[in-house]
Amino acid sequence: EAEVAQSPRYKITEKSQAVAFWCDPISGHATLYWYRQILGQGPELLVQFQDESVVDDSQLPKDRFSAERLKGVDSTLKIQPAELGDSAMYLCASRHPNTEAFFGQGTRLTVV
Amino acid sequence: GENVEQHPSTLSVQEGDSAVIKCTYSDSASNYFPWYKQELGKRPQLIIDIRSNVGEKKDQRIAVTLNKTAKHFSLHITETQPEDSAVYFCAASKRTGNTGKLIFGQGTTLQVKP
Repeated sequence: EAEVAQSPRYKITEKSQAVAFWCDPISGHATLYWYRQILGQGPELLVQFQDESVVDDSQLPKDRFSAERLKGVDSTLKIQPAELGDSAMYLCASRHPNTEAFFGQGTRLTVV
Repeated sequence: GENVEQHPSTLSVQEGDSAVIKCTYSDSASNYFPWYKQELGKRPQLIIDIRSNVGEKKDQRIAVTLNKTAKHFSLHITETQPEDSAVYFCAASKRTGNTGKLIFGQGTTLQVKP
């Protein structure tokens, strides 16, 4: 069964450092999402891609967060500099038109 | 802005009983309502979804109902089992082809006691 791949699974970083997460969606899925899930809360959308284009980044803190999907396949989410409040699970999801969204296992980020 | 409210935040039932989780959404243009189950440390996984042209959908022990007028939808789990214990999230989306982001509720932690 095809899955959304994310790496790393866990990341510990010091505040003010840079950190990056990688996502490889299910093959053929043009839509890719990055969500942030703070412990005990529901996922919140950070950015949505359609192929290589950003469709929605209204909730992305652009002063420190950036996301790219250069070839319209895999994607990278970067935080620089990381802050204590960025500690959360970062989930990537992808979908094909008119299908459900499939989530990856996520990257759990701890900022110390 | 778009918002989804989910209740209760925690729910404890005895094995074999039914569990009901309710969600209310704010954007009347929402047309797709999935429910995800997330076990500890694992990814959210879709368990059932419903589109706005349908009032009810059932899959074995799980059912979802939608009231578009009141802008609320509910998840019903019958004959609960210990393996149903998890966090459940509702979501709402305004889907048009490739577009449409999921707005999630805050989650319900369901505990099924043996």
